[in-house]
Amino acid sequence: GESVGLHLPTLSVQEGDNSIINCAYSNSASDYFIWYKQESGKGPQFIIDIRSNMDKRQGQRVTVLLNKTVKHLSLQIAATQPGDSAVYFCAENIGTGRRALTFGSGTRLQVQP
Amino acid sequence: ETGVTQSPTHLIKTRGQQVTLRCSSQSGHNTVSWYQQALGQGPQFIFQYYREEENGRGNFPPRFSGLQFPNYSSELNVNALELDDSALYLCASRSTSGTAYEQYFGPGTRLTVT
Repeated sequence: GESVGLHLPTLSVQEGDNSIINCAYSNSASDYFIWYKQESGKGPQFIIDIRSNMDKRQGQRVTVLLNKTVKHLSLQIAATQPGDSAVYFCAENIGTGRRALTFGSGTRLQVQP
Repeated sequence: ETGVTQSPTHLIKTRGQQVTLRCSSQSGHNTVSWYQQALGQGPQFIFQYYREEENGRGNFPPRFSGLQFPNYSSELNVNALELDDSALYLCASRSTSGTAYEQYFGPGTRLTVT
């Protein structure tokens, strides 16, 4: 499949370690945020979302933290596995009702066995 | 798998030609969005369709147009292709019922313009 994110920032971690991927978003009016995972040759896959009235949300092995003061979003992956290797995008939505997402530039996560 | 399908998988066109890309939404989803993803970048919003009408558009020229059909399938049409139109084109569907705002993406169509 095609290669996604040839020149993206890369985070390299050891299998079993925790990973933290950071994202700065652009619009203080954004009310909804999503993290997507994109593997080579595939479309973005929904991981977890968070609304602007929350500062933390947990899923299975993943946690999203939202700091609206500094417009910062992070994705924490616990016990990172080789299958977590992919490009990760944060996306924001401005509360216009149309639910169009604005994506960040992405981070490549490489998990070393 | 998300249940969103796209066709074709890959396509090669010549500058100036026209292209139609197709998307079949996940069952029960009544809203579809199209995104363009250039190599090494995040997806960029093109437009969104709800109840067969465009109800939101990103910063793309009018030669990018679309259709949504009663069965919620969708098309993206691009006229007068330019070299910079080479990209992965993604469609994403979602439901507006309840609070299910997640958008589910298809695998994309890789368009190459030569």
